[in-house]
Amino acid sequence: EPEVTQTPSHQVTQMGQEVILRCVPISNHLYFYWYRQILGQKVEFLVSFYNNEISEKSEIFDDQFSVERPDGSNFTLKIRSTKLEDSAMYFCASSVSGGAKNIQYFGAGTRLSVL
Amino acid sequence: SQKIEQNSEALNIQEGKTATLTCNYTNYSPAYLQWYRQDPGRGPVFLLLIRENEKEKRKERLKVTFDTTLKQSLFHITASQPADSATYLCALGALGGGNKLTFGTGTQLKVEL
Repeated sequence: EPEVTQTPSHQVTQMGQEVILRCVPISNHLYFYWYRQILGQKVEFLVSFYNNEISEKSEIFDDQFSVERPDGSNFTLKIRSTKLEDSAMYFCASSVSGGAKNIQYFGAGTRLSVL
Repeated sequence: SQKIEQNSEALNIQEGKTATLTCNYTNYSPAYLQWYRQDPGRGPVFLLLIRENEKEKRKERLKVTFDTTLKQSLFHITASQPADSATYLCALGALGGGNKLTFGTGTQLKVEL
């Protein structure tokens, strides 16, 4: 069964460093998302991406964050200058459709630890 | 502000019984509601979607109801098994925008032998 893959599974970085989290969405999906989950808390929306542009972003997704679809298969989340509070599990998701048929398939996540 | 509440305490039930999980929301008019399963250290896995004009949906041992007047969804697992032990998340979505899902905090279910 097709799945969303994320790399790396665990990323450790020093505060102030840049990190890039990588995702390969399911191949025929057109909508892409990033969510994060701080340990013990709920899953929170960061950003959605469609047709090579951001379609919605949350207040969390400030100027330190950016997303890119550099080629036909990868979807990346960059954090320019990491802070301690960026430590979380980051999930990539993709869906075939939007609206009321919006079933999102999630990857296994990247655990980001900022020291 | 929008609020989505799920049973904060873990739910422990015996194998074979029906588990019922609750999702209540305020300050929101979702077009659809979804239920996901999350295992420790893993991403959410989609289970069921129900639209605002639907009252009930079923899939195998799973059933979800959606009452937009009460602003509540109930999620049932019948004939529960230890393998059903996980955290169950409800997620709400609106039409338009970027298809974002707003998740509840989740309810941890433990099915005991």
